Amino acid sequence: GQQVMQIPQYQHVQEGEDFTTYCNSSTTLSNIQWYKQRPGGHPVFLIQLVKSGEVKKQKRLTFQFGEAKKNSSLHITATQTTDVGTYFCAGQGGKLIFGQGTELSVKP
Amino acid sequence: NAGVTQTPKFQVLKTGQSMTLQCAQDMNHEYMSWYRQDPGMGLRLIHYSVGAGITDQGEVPNGYNVSRSTTEDFPLRLLSAAPSQTSVYFCASSYLGGHNQPQHFGDGTRLSIL
Repeated sequence: GQQVMQIPQYQHVQEGEDFTTYCNSSTTLSNIQWYKQRPGGHPVFLIQLVKSGEVKKQKRLTFQFGEAKKNSSLHITATQTTDVGTYFCAGQGGKLIFGQGTELSVKP
Repeated sequence: NAGVTQTPKFQVLKTGQSMTLQCAQDMNHEYMSWYRQDPGMGLRLIHYSVGAGITDQGEVPNGYNVSRSTTEDFPLRLLSAAPSQTSVYFCASSYLGGHNQPQHFGDGTRLSIL
């Protein structure tokens, strides 16, 4: 069946360092979404990518969708303590399948 | 608007007990779904619905039942609780569209099965 794999599972960074999480699908995705979950909270929608090769930016966050629409990445420049949480990708039409998430911790 | 409301927030059950987790949304969303979240496993889709009277299985449907009699409500039933069902359960809703739409999540139900 369809799988959405996300790496790494954990990432510990010093405040100010960059962070990247990668998402790979076993099948071509019609679109991909990214969510952030703060500790103890619920996932909150960040962005959706639809087009092959699409790149979108939200302040220090850069989201990319691969040319083959089978992979995606989220890059955070100069992390801050407010970036702490778990970042999930989710994809596929009809029903939304989530990756395992990358838990980001930021040391001040 | 309340958004997506889940009740209860916490629950402890004994093995073999039954229970219904409630989920309601007031945004007139067609699509509703249930996920469970376990450490290292991310969010796994249990069941989903694209409208009243229509439900379908997700990745991990065994041990759970759902129904969708109204647009607003999408309850999740555990018929005979097992320790493996200890988890955090999230309900989510969205509009239906050509592509997946942004999901609105409830605050979750933390369920422990002893």
